[in-house]
Amino acid sequence: DAGVIQSPRHEVTEMGQEVTLRCKPISGHNSLFWYRQTMMRGLELLIYFNNNVPIDDSGMPEDRFSAKMPNASFSTLKIQPSEPRDSAVYFCASSPTGQSPLSPLHFGNGTRLTVT
Amino acid sequence: AQSVTQLGSHVSVSEGALVLLRCNYSSSVPPYLFWYVQYPNQGLQLLLKYTTGATLVKGINGFEAEFKKSETSFHLTKPSAHMSDAAEYFCAVSENTDKLIFGTGTRLQVFP
Repeated sequence: DAGVIQSPRHEVTEMGQEVTLRCKPISGHNSLFWYRQTMMRGLELLIYFNNNVPIDDSGMPEDRFSAKMPNASFSTLKIQPSEPRDSAVYFCASSPTGQSPLSPLHFGNGTRLTVT
Repeated sequence: AQSVTQLGSHVSVSEGALVLLRCNYSSSVPPYLFWYVQYPNQGLQLLLKYTTGATLVKGINGFEAEFKKSETSFHLTKPSAHMSDAAEYFCAVSENTDKLIFGTGTRLQVFP
């Protein structure tokens, strides 16, 4: 099992540019989560999907952020336009059974985004 | 609304000393509680979890945590710290949904 795969590992971009972060969950996992980690705010849930359907996007900061899950094996988080305050580590996580908190989250290694 | 408070953003101990990382939660219903560990440049990994039943929960790497409802606490302990325990530790709470709410984390340093 390859685990949750995120790309790229590092992204450096200029303010105003579009940024797309990618995630491949573990095969067979029904739920997928996007988290953002910063020193100031810790780990924040941005959005999560169950069976490819967005369930809760209340953590998405603003309209500049959007997430999609076109199929069970792929998800994207897009920021357009990006701003320096978006600089953070973005984690994708998946879990095997959609409706149970008893299923541990499996995290990817994260994408470190720097917006200059 | 559910929330988690981790007291102390940094904890330093000597190798072989007791590790105590504090976590208090707020929840309107009986919670599910978790501790995750994050090693440098990696994602989080589950250390242990409390769902129901025994309030003392044992996890990997010799860690354990005790659910104390009266104190709304779920502190993480390990009797003897090892250098390899240096990492960031996150407490999290869930109210029977898919959502985990994480604390802000505690960075553990272990000195030789």
